[in-house]
Amino acid sequence: GAVVSQHPSRVICKSGTSVKIECRSLDFQATTMFWYRQFPKQSLMLMATSNEGSKATYEQGVEKDKFLINHASLTLSTLTVTSAHPEDSSFYICSARDRPYIQETQYFGPGTRLLVL
Amino acid sequence: GENVEQHPSTLSVQEGDSAVIKCTYSDSASNYFPWYKQELGKGPQLIIDIRSNVGEKKDQRIAVTLNKTAKHFSLHITETQPEDSAVYFCAALISGGYQKVTFGTGTKLQVIP
Repeated sequence: GAVVSQHPSRVICKSGTSVKIECRSLDFQATTMFWYRQFPKQSLMLMATSNEGSKATYEQGVEKDKFLINHASLTLSTLTVTSAHPEDSSFYICSARDRPYIQETQYFGPGTRLLVL
Repeated sequence: GENVEQHPSTLSVQEGDSAVIKCTYSDSASNYFPWYKQELGKGPQLIIDIRSNVGEKKDQRIAVTLNKTAKHFSLHITETQPEDSAVYFCAALISGGYQKVTFGTGTKLQVIP
């Protein structure tokens, strides 16, 4: 149980285009999903916390208009990188937390490799 | 806020030997400590966790110990195998409410056959 999927796994796009990444909890309902960014050989950097039905909470230094997050259902959150530039190239990972009770455990998706040319 | 330090950053062991990764945290209110294994190009996978009311937890070849007084916790892998090679992250958070996870900087473990 507790499987989280991400789509796409890899995306290459031209500078200036927008890219949408989907994060789904497959076998549980997630009221809260988290979006992370990871640079090579570095730890995970939390970008934002996504709560179902409400606005996402962004970490300091993360541009809300640049990284649009939508959590429209208990099983789906999306991250849209708007007007992507080469410096946005990174590994983006989502995680989700079980809904039924207070549960600290976060389950991570497999990640999405974004390359902006 | 919480600060988690992790050591060593890299660790090489011979197959069959044990590996130990240590983490310290700063916020005494943290009470949940998960460990994640991340293989190259993949997302982190939870391998074991421990809560502050427990001093040690084991799961086959993996064990975690927690010293609340000293605010440090460790991951122990016994009888290491090549497939244990990965990057391991410790983490700390406060259970309940806004559960923001603070990750350590990661340890790259290499098990030499």
